[in-house]
Amino acid sequence: GQQVMQIPQYQHVQEGEDFTTYCNSSTTLSNIQWYKQRPGGHPVFLIQLVKSGEVKKQKRLTFQFGEAKKNSSLHITATQTTDVGTYFCTYTGTASKLTFGTGTRLQVTL
Amino acid sequence: DGGITQSPKYLFRKEGQNVTLSCEQNLNHDAMYWYRQDPGQGLRLIYYSQIVNDFQKGDIAEGYSVSREKKESFPLTVTSAQKNPTAFYLCASSIKPPDTQYFGPGTRLTVL
Repeated sequence: GQQVMQIPQYQHVQEGEDFTTYCNSSTTLSNIQWYKQRPGGHPVFLIQLVKSGEVKKQKRLTFQFGEAKKNSSLHITATQTTDVGTYFCTYTGTASKLTFGTGTRLQVTL
Repeated sequence: DGGITQSPKYLFRKEGQNVTLSCEQNLNHDAMYWYRQDPGQGLRLIYYSQIVNDFQKGDIAEGYSVSREKKESFPLTVTSAQKNPTAFYLCASSIKPPDTQYFGPGTRLTVL
């Protein structure tokens, strides 16, 4: 069956450092969505990637979809304390259901 | 003010009691979803509904039941058959699956 691994599970950075989380699939994905969940909060949609090799930017966040559509990454440049939270990749699985990855928890300290 | 509402924010129940969690949306979305999140874990799909009067089991449906009598409402009942019901429950909706999902604020259920 389809398996998607998200790495790392946890990362602790100093404010100003960069951060990257990866989402890797054993099979080709039709699309990837990224969500952010602040501590104690609910997931909030960030972006959707559909095309092979697609790169999208939102201020300090850069999202990539691999050429083979089997992996994706989220890169944050110069992290801030407001970036703290858990970042989930999600993909469309069977029966058009969205399946959430395991998430990467980001901690940012001053 | 559009969005998804879940109530209550915190809920306490005694073991063996059924409890119903509310989820309402005024976004005119066709699809609605229920997820369970345990501490430090990801989201697991309990049930989802693509249209009124229809719903499908997700990955962890045992011990839960839902109804979708109205487009804007998708209540979740946690039954006494659910062995470990204490968790954070999130409701979401989308225009249609598998579009972007919009989440409610969640209900933290604690079974004592």
